[in-house]
Order: sequence, then structure tokens, then C-alpha cells
Amino acid sequence: AQSVTQLGSHVSVSEGALVLLRCNYSSSVPPYLFWYVQYPNQGLQLLLKYTSAATLVKGINGFEAEFKKSETSFHLTKPSAHMRDAAEYFCAVALTGGFKTIFGAGTRLFVKA
Amino acid sequence: DVKVTQSSRYLVKRTGEKVFLECVQDMDHENMFWYRQDPGLGLRLIYFSYDVKMKEKGDIPEGYSVSREKKERFSLILESASTNQTSMYLCASSFAAGFTGELFFGEGSRLTVL
Repeated sequence: AQSVTQLGSHVSVSEGALVLLRCNYSSSVPPYLFWYVQYPNQGLQLLLKYTSAATLVKGINGFEAEFKKSETSFHLTKPSAHMRDAAEYFCAVALTGGFKTIFGAGTRLFVKA
Repeated sequence: DVKVTQSSRYLVKRTGEKVFLECVQDMDHENMFWYRQDPGLGLRLIYFSYDVKMKEKGDIPEGYSVSREKKERFSLILESASTNQTSMYLCASSFAAGFTGELFFGEGSRLTVL
């Protein structure tokens, strides 16, 4: 069965600092992996996705994530945090041919001025 | 611009009331989904539909039903609302073809059951 674990329900960084949001997954077959972002009072929107092409995936707003099969990880990073990055971030996994996307519990990112 | 529209952003209902949450997408997507979002639990799938009049249970279907009479519209129904159904409800849609792609979400409907 698939599952997604996001380490840390809350992460706080200073503006300009590195953002690192951790995600580990379990899957019996190579999965499709996603990061979604949810700004306050909005739905989720896709940041980036891994679909078995390049292991380093670049997304919108300067975010990127690296797929590491040996570590079953898909951590999200951004070199320099901006105030507008304050939001909740969800890691998700889906399998080919399936109709279900499994979401992690979410990590809320706080950015301090 | 792609659009998933949920009919109500905020609703307050009383225990035992019947509640309808409606979702419309304008992208001609085959798949539509209803998720429930609760703090610390992420998103949990209630029901999904891969075609008109077709529906499949997700992980937490108890207390809910759905209707998909037209391709663009997917409704979530709470036959008799209970306080433990107070939550944020998110509708999403996607292209078919094995569903390996992006989910497009509406802005959510926050339901409070008193």
C-alpha cells in the first residue's frame, strides 16, 4: 500500500534562507510524486511532479525536488525563501493506472521577516 | 484558464440536515474527486468518478454519497449531517488516461455542522 510521510507539521525559516520540506513515501512500484501548495483560503495547486524522467524536478516559484529512490524520498527545496512562500505544502503519491492520489498530512511553512 | 468551481465557500448547517456540495469544472475532464481536508490528516478521498453516472468509493465514504449526471458536474451529498462532518471539502478534476497527472482543485467549501 502507498503512504506518504511529511516530516514536520510546521517549518519556520527566515526570509532569504533555504527552504527544505521533507517527504518520504512507500510504494511497491515506482510511483508518480507531486508537491502541491495551498495558500490561505484557497484550494491546492501543483508545484511540481515527478513522472520517472529526470530525478531533479523544477517547479513554479523557484521550488525544486529531487527523487531519491534509494531513500524513498522526494524533498522540496527552495534556495531563498520569500514572504509569499508562506503556505501549506502537501506531498502526494499516485500509481500508474490508479485513480487515487495519496496525500501527506501537510507541512505549514512560516517565513519570518 | 482552467477552472474548478465549488458552489459554496462557507456553509453552516444543523445536525440532521441534508447538505449538497456542488462542483463544476470547465476543462472537459473525465475524472472528478471529492476530498475532505482536516488539520494533521491531509486530504482524504471520499468518492471519485471516472465517467458520467459512474462513481467509486474512496477511503472514507461513510455518511456521504455522490452524483454525476453530467460530465462537468460532481455533487457531494451528506444525507444527514453530523458534527463530525465539520470540515473543509475540496473538489478536484483530472484528465483520464490512467490518472498519472495533475489534480485541479476548487477553492474548497468549509462546512460547519452545529
